Amino acid sequence: NAGVTQTPKFQVLKTGQSMTLQCAQDMNHNSMYWYRQDPGMGLRLIYYSASEGTTDKGEVPNGYNVSRLNKREFSLRLESAAPSQTSVYFCASSPSADSNQPQHFGDGTRLSIL
Amino acid sequence: AQKVTQAQTEISVVEKEDVTLDCVYETRDTTYYLFWYKQPPSGELVFLIRRNSFDEQNEISGRYSWNFQKSTSSFNFTITASQVVDSAVYFCALKGRGNTPLVFGKGTRLSVIA
Repeated sequence: NAGVTQTPKFQVLKTGQSMTLQCAQDMNHNSMYWYRQDPGMGLRLIYYSASEGTTDKGEVPNGYNVSRLNKREFSLRLESAAPSQTSVYFCASSPSADSNQPQHFGDGTRLSIL
Repeated sequence: AQKVTQAQTEISVVEKEDVTLDCVYETRDTTYYLFWYKQPPSGELVFLIRRNSFDEQNEISGRYSWNFQKSTSSFNFTITASQVVDSAVYFCALKGRGNTPLVFGKGTRLSVIA
């Protein structure tokens, strides 16, 4: 009954450090997504993976890389963290990218860059 | 391009009042899907409803109701007899047909005061 699991839940980094956010889903969904949420900005798509082996840029991809490790897992990497990347990060999944089914979200990772 | 506007940044009501959250969208697609999500203070995103563009029937679920009007490109959400537990940020989102991303509005923060 886990759905979408994100780790870690909280992290503090120093500017320039690297970090990988992990996401796993157990719903056998084909598509997975990474969003960031900033105050007053709603959720903005960073990257998504329509299916295993594919990734595409979203609205705000700069400064991030992603890896679709397998069907279950989709990670987000910050190679050199910047204070502007302080945000809450959400991972989501859906049956397919062209589906009208709702996306299921993880509980989020609160990331602070000092 | 897809766009969702939630003009109300914050709303505050007294318990038992009715409240309507506005959502206006823009799209050139003839087939599209609209969603509402709730984000309570605990931070997770909870799916509330999906509406297909070809189905303009309004929907009621308990104290919640949704009014979809294609003529005005709006998909408004009404909470009747609001309760403190309704306090949350509410997001409206739009997805076009095919492999297109889900686009979120900036959200409306609803505070229900006892």
